[in-house]
Amino acid sequence: AQSVTQLDSHVSVSEGTPVLLRCNYSSSYSPSLFWYVQHPNKGLQLLLKYTSAATLVKGINGFEAEFKKSETSFHLTKPSAHMSDAAEYFCVFASLFSGGYNKLIFGAGTRLAVHP
Amino acid sequence: DAGVIQSPRHEVTEMGQEVTLRCKPISGHDYLFWYRQTMMRGLELLIYFNNNVPIDDSGMPEDRFSAKMPNASFSTLKIQPSEPRDSAVYFCASSLGLAYRELFFGEGSRLTVL
Repeated sequence: AQSVTQLDSHVSVSEGTPVLLRCNYSSSYSPSLFWYVQHPNKGLQLLLKYTSAATLVKGINGFEAEFKKSETSFHLTKPSAHMSDAAEYFCVFASLFSGGYNKLIFGAGTRLAVHP
Repeated sequence: DAGVIQSPRHEVTEMGQEVTLRCKPISGHDYLFWYRQTMMRGLELLIYFNNNVPIDDSGMPEDRFSAKMPNASFSTLKIQPSEPRDSAVYFCASSLGLAYRELFFGEGSRLTVL
């Protein structure tokens, strides 16, 4: 079965400290993986995506993620948190079904709190 | 360029009433998706269209839900009759090409059914 699991429902960090949001996937195929961010009362916005090119992917706002096939992980990191990073983050998996079309499978989300 | 536009942003209605949510995708995008977000279930794909044609509606909860896309610039999601358990935020998203490309989300329609 193809799935994505976000290991933490809530993460709290102090401003200026590193951020680590964890995501694991399960797939028989080479996956496409994404991180989306949702600020309060807003729609989701793409942070970054992995589509079988470079395993270290850089996104917007200083975020990056590393695809590790051996660990089936795609963790999101940022060296120094900013107050504006407080939001909900979704790890997303693109699942290839028969027929050639695909769907996005969303993780349950990780709510990131940033304290002064 | 304007993003995905949804209306209304907020809707409060009573059980049994008809609800219509509207979406205008980004011009030129050929895929349109309707999602529902709740605390209990997270984000669920309800239905998606390609070039105005419904491709997969397996996520639509039941016959009370219907969606249409009469042209490339407009889609509706209708609930009739509405029930309290339909209370959620409904998102519309569009993309150019398949889901391997970026999805652009609207700001959502928050529905409360009393």
